[in-house]
Amino acid sequence: GAGVSQSPRYKVAKRGQDVALRCDPISGHVSLFWYQQALGQGPEFLTYFQNEAQLDKSGLPSDRFFAERPEGSVSTLKIQRTQQEDSAVYLCASSLRRDSSYYGYTFGSGTRLTVV
Amino acid sequence: ILNVEQSPQSLHVQEGDSTNFTCSFPSSNFYALHWYRWETAKSPEALFVMTLNGDEKKKGRISATLNTKEGYSYLYIKGSQPEDSATYLCAFSRGGYQKVTFGTGTKLQVIP
Repeated sequence: GAGVSQSPRYKVAKRGQDVALRCDPISGHVSLFWYQQALGQGPEFLTYFQNEAQLDKSGLPSDRFFAERPEGSVSTLKIQRTQQEDSAVYLCASSLRRDSSYYGYTFGSGTRLTVV
Repeated sequence: ILNVEQSPQSLHVQEGDSTNFTCSFPSSNFYALHWYRWETAKSPEALFVMTLNGDEKKKGRISATLNTKEGYSYLYIKGSQPEDSATYLCAFSRGGYQKVTFGTGTKLQVIP
């Protein structure tokens, strides 16, 4: 596709519900990142894939958060038993190159998750 | 914990004014500094990726400078226009890491 596509754009979940957020990166992009932006904060790193390999998941805040990219393209971020503190914008970014921090990312528009 | 700080937090300027913001980051083990522009309801858009001390980059009316020894970068907008209204984010990466650490952003409002 022309850009990084995220869906849904908005999600309202009841506390305790499981949610799945999808990211469709630019075709051929090797690196894929998930970031979480809480209100009034900058985006914070969650996890990073190079192709299908999850190379860094140090930012996932708890074992309720799980991410996958099974075929090295589309990625899904799953949050189990959502809590109010999970309310945030979830940003996906991809990069053509492995050394993405040197060359920069292309971001999606994000999914705004509200847990009520 | 890496601290990336941006100032000011928010800024209102009149159309036609020039403005600048600051991004401060740790000066040790520097690898790259990114600037992004994020308009409401859109994707963050990459403006610059800067890697060398003394780098200066320009894109239209927007330019940026980098000082890795003292750990700061400036973003300048010349002759601000209403379409420049957005949140400007900087992000820093250390050598050996693919992830970047973002600041909290500077929210710019250009008043027509």
